[in-house]
Amino acid sequence: GAVVSQHPSRVICKSGTSVKIECRSLDFQATTMFWYRQFPKQSLMLMATSNEGSKATYEQGVEKDKFLINHASLTLSTLTVTSAHPEDSSFYICSARQDRGNGELFFGEGSRLTVL
Amino acid sequence: QKEVEQNSGPLSVPEGAIASLNCTYSDRGSQSFFWYRQYSGKSPELIMSIYSNGDKEDGRFTAQLNKASQYVSLLIRDSQPSDSATYLCAVSFTGNQFYFGTGTSLTVIP
Repeated sequence: GAVVSQHPSRVICKSGTSVKIECRSLDFQATTMFWYRQFPKQSLMLMATSNEGSKATYEQGVEKDKFLINHASLTLSTLTVTSAHPEDSSFYICSARQDRGNGELFFGEGSRLTVL
Repeated sequence: QKEVEQNSGPLSVPEGAIASLNCTYSDRGSQSFFWYRQYSGKSPELIMSIYSNGDKEDGRFTAQLNKASQYVSLLIRDSQPSDSATYLCAVSFTGNQFYFGTGTSLTVIP
């Protein structure tokens, strides 16, 4: 299957700092990528849909000024958690939809954020 | 409201048995259907995709789709302890939107 690389896999930061997470589709182009958050033993929660060259579409209740998304190329989307607080600690997962073929959705490995 | 529903489980089956996972969806316009496996602490991994009515087999996995009943299932034959995970059903309506169920937790007992 197609490969989506997400980096970093783990990050620990101090409260008030910003953290950037990268999501790359390694062997396919992805006009559309998605960002999810998942708390322990809970289901995936869609945060936003990222479209190359345009503004991201945020789900209700997700602060766009806090979770900055940039999708500057067909293979890279970034999520920046600004002024992080302990309640932002979570497992953040990106996914990328293949532009060609059956448009399947592939997930990155996830990034575990811990805010102290 | 587009909904995808799964029984949260937990579903327990003995090793070697068939595990049957079910999913229903609300929108008749749905076009693409996917099953993902998620191990604890890891991200989801695509197992199967199915687009037309009927069965699709891949190794020990069989996906079944019935659009008239708005129902998609996943059968795992000869279940192994390594199959123990949460299985997520996903439905795509437009290709740019994917809706996930809450997942079914499967435990395969050795």
